[in-house]
Amino acid sequence: DAGVIQSPRHEVTEMGQEVTLRCKPISGHDYLFWYRQTMMRGLELLIYFNNNVPIDDSGMPEDRFSAKMPNASFSTLKIQPSEPRDSAVYFCASSLSWGTSGSGSSYNEQFFGPGTRLTVL
Amino acid sequence: SQELEQSPQSLIVQEGKNLTINCTSSKTLYGLYWYKQKYGEGLIFLMMLQKGGEEKSHEKITAKLDEKKQQSSLHITASQPSHAGIYLCGADNNAGKSTFGDGTTLTVKP
Repeated sequence: DAGVIQSPRHEVTEMGQEVTLRCKPISGHDYLFWYRQTMMRGLELLIYFNNNVPIDDSGMPEDRFSAKMPNASFSTLKIQPSEPRDSAVYFCASSLSWGTSGSGSSYNEQFFGPGTRLTVL
Repeated sequence: SQELEQSPQSLIVQEGKNLTINCTSSKTLYGLYWYKQKYGEGLIFLMMLQKGGEEKSHEKITAKLDEKKQQSSLHITASQPSHAGIYLCGADNNAGKSTFGDGTTLTVKP
């Protein structure tokens, strides 16, 4: 498997434009995560999906951000309209399973894509 | 939310020296994992710890989780330039929420 694939690798756009980031998870992985990484805030979880269904989107900054997963092999993160403060590296990750019960069962590692470096001018 | 505090923020060591990076949680850790990141690249999974007192090793890297499951350490023995990078600890609470520490930047001088 090629691992998690993200596109584009780099995106430079002007304030107000719509930006769409794409992710192809590892085949067979039921969980997909979108993260944002900046120097100021570190790595933040934006949203994650289980079997294409959004489970927790509490990390999505505001209504300008939206994420979809139309099928098991594709997800998008859209920013409309984009602002300079959205500049960051956006990572997509996937895993076979996720979450732990109190007994600490059913945990799995996340495989990260190479990231999309977004610059909003 | 679960806050993860890493220390030190950055570390510069001479090749061959040992070093330790710490990760402290404000809440009990249900799953603690360590990742390594090179600048501009994605995260690479190193190790996962779940049980209190657990210790795992891979090559010259050892990770431990304390009995109370609130603190983890990553220890590198006889560091090499290839160990340089950013080390991040991550965790999830029992509701599946994922959080990360701010990272520790390691520089190994040859």
